[in-house]
Amino acid sequence: EVQLVESGGGLVQPGGSLRLSCAASGFTFSSYSMNWVRQAPGKGLEWVSYISSSSSTIYYADSVKGRFTISRDNAKNSLYLQMNSLRDEDTAVYYCARSIAVAGHFDYWGQGTLVTVSS
Amino acid sequence: QSALTQPASVSGSPGQSITISCTGTSSDVGGYNYVSWYQQHPGKAPKLMIYEVSNRPSGVSNRFSGSKSGNTASLTISGLQAEDEADYYCSSYTSSSPWVFGGGTKLTVL
Repeated sequence: EVQLVESGGGLVQPGGSLRLSCAASGFTFSSYSMNWVRQAPGKGLEWVSYISSSSSTIYYADSVKGRFTISRDNAKNSLYLQMNSLRDEDTAVYYCARSIAVAGHFDYWGQGTLVTVSS
Repeated sequence: QSALTQPASVSGSPGQSITISCTGTSSDVGGYNYVSWYQQHPGKAPKLMIYEVSNRPSGVSNRFSGSKSGNTASLTISGLQAEDEADYYCSSYTSSSPWVFGGGTKLTVL
């Protein structure tokens, strides 16, 4: 069974940093691209970042470019999102989601981790 | 990249059919057959319902179907059931982002 479990969320002040993790199991992690998608409270879904299976291709949404860094460790079956210079508008539930390729759909999602940016 | 346009809400009675539209541009919905649909119940993670415009993942009911015409994709749910009440989001690959989601549609089963 495919499982994606996010962790690392919490309360952080504006300008602060946070690192999210996503632990994968039930599939060959190194064969799949991964993504972070977020959802602000009461709002819709927003794609945040993509990383290919080998980490050779990375994309970011304009809203986080230069502040967030996606990475993965295939030996540990883990995906990460380093978030720096956090803003109030980054407050959201962050989901990790699996995809097959850059044009692929998001076929499995984690349960999400809440990040709250507030003073 | 602007979000794809979806109606804020739709409703239907049990057993009826409803259609949710998702309008984009030739740079996203109209330009690629990489439109997908997600169902999200309150407090839960999104679930893939349709991919590549009209394909259903294993385990998804055949009451769910997808289509596309020009820059507009559609999700149709036939034989509405109470459990279908949820938020639905479309998504498309784009030439820039590379993904964009719709704003979401709240489906109410009357």
